[in-house]
Order: sequence, then structure tokens, then C-alpha cells
Amino acid sequence: DTGVSQDPRHKITKRGQNVTFRCDPISEHNRLYWYRQTLGQGPEFLTYFQNEAQLEKSRLLSDRFSAERPKGSFSTLEIQRTEQGDSAMYLCASSFRRPGTGAEETQYFGPGTRLLVL
Amino acid sequence: GQQLNQSPQSMFIQEGEDVSMNCTSSSIFNTWLWYKQEPGEGPVLLIALYKAGELTSNGRLTAQFGITRKDSFLNISASIPSDVGIYFCAGQVRAGANSKLTFGKGITLSVRP
Repeated sequence: DTGVSQDPRHKITKRGQNVTFRCDPISEHNRLYWYRQTLGQGPEFLTYFQNEAQLEKSRLLSDRFSAERPKGSFSTLEIQRTEQGDSAMYLCASSFRRPGTGAEETQYFGPGTRLLVL
Repeated sequence: GQQLNQSPQSMFIQEGEDVSMNCTSSSIFNTWLWYKQEPGEGPVLLIALYKAGELTSNGRLTAQFGITRKDSFLNISASIPSDVGIYFCAGQVRAGANSKLTFGKGITLSVRP
């Protein structure tokens, strides 16, 4: 079990540029989550997938943000026309959810991608 | 957005001391989790709690899921220098498609040798 991996670990970009981050979940995990964390705060939920389906999106996820998980394995998060306020740590987490409601589910986080927009 | 309440923001203890951290919410959660985060890294799961009243241990760590489902605490016994980090509580509703985690702001723990 190699854990959740994220690439790149760090990204510096200029305002207005597009950036894309990748997350590889723990193998056989069917759920994948994206969170954003700013300095001094806890992670805040952005969106999540169950297999290929994007099941929930936060209001934090503006039109400039898009996430995909085309084959139900890795996921990408793209930010278009970056703004300085997008500077944050972007965290990915994965979990396995057994069918049926109320099933226990534990989310494991990757190391994050730290984005700095100049 | 909604966040769980963790206070104080920072705690300073002597090596060998026990420390207890509390987390409260105005809403009910069906799962409570405690994570530890070190600089530049993602949160690492410490303990997961799935039933109200549950008391779970992981080595020197003990956590409890409050009976009202609106709070949880984490206790670290006999602290050591490597306990330094930011401790986050997180709650999960776990109903239907709602499985996102809601986090507190974290407590930064410092351990004096």
C-alpha cells in the first residue's frame, strides 16, 4: 500500500496562468476527495468523486476550478486564470465506501500540493 | 464555511506530561476523526470514532466520541518531542452522498524537552 500520492508537491505560477494538479488514491479506494487548506486553517472541502462520478461540489469551487476522475482511478484538479487568493495547500484524500448508507469510511490524505500564485 | 471549535490555538507542555484537547460543534456528526499534521505535509489519521460514547486508544493516544455527538476529545499521555504538530478534529455526517469532512482550525502542540 503506497498511500495517496500527489503531484507536483509545489507549484509557483503567475496570476492568470492555468495549473493542474494530479492525485493518485490508494488502490481500490472508490472515493476521492479534494480539500483546500490556507495558513492557520483546517482543510476545507472542495469536491469528491465516487468512482468516476462527481457527487458533491462546494460553493468554494468557483467556475475557474474543475476536477475530473475519468477512469475512476487518479484525479486532476485544474485551476484556470489563477488569482493570488488561490494560493493554498491543495489536499487529496481517498477512502473505500462499502455499498449502503451509513457505512464506515475513513479518509486518508496525501502530502498535498502547495500552490503559490504571484 | 462551518468549522468545528478547537481551542486554545496553541498549547505548550513539558515532555512527559499528559495533554487533552477538546472539539465541539453546534451540529451532530456521526463520525469523529483526529488527524495530526506536520509542516508541509498532509494530515495523518490518528484515531477514528464511529459510535456515540465510543472510547478508542492508539498507543499513547485516547479519543472519545461524545454522547451528544456534538463533541470529541483527544488525550495524549506521557508526551514526547515527536508529538509536536498541529492536531485537527474532523466530523463527518456520513448520510447518503454527504461524506465530506468538516475540520476545526487545529491546535498547535509544542513539547518542551
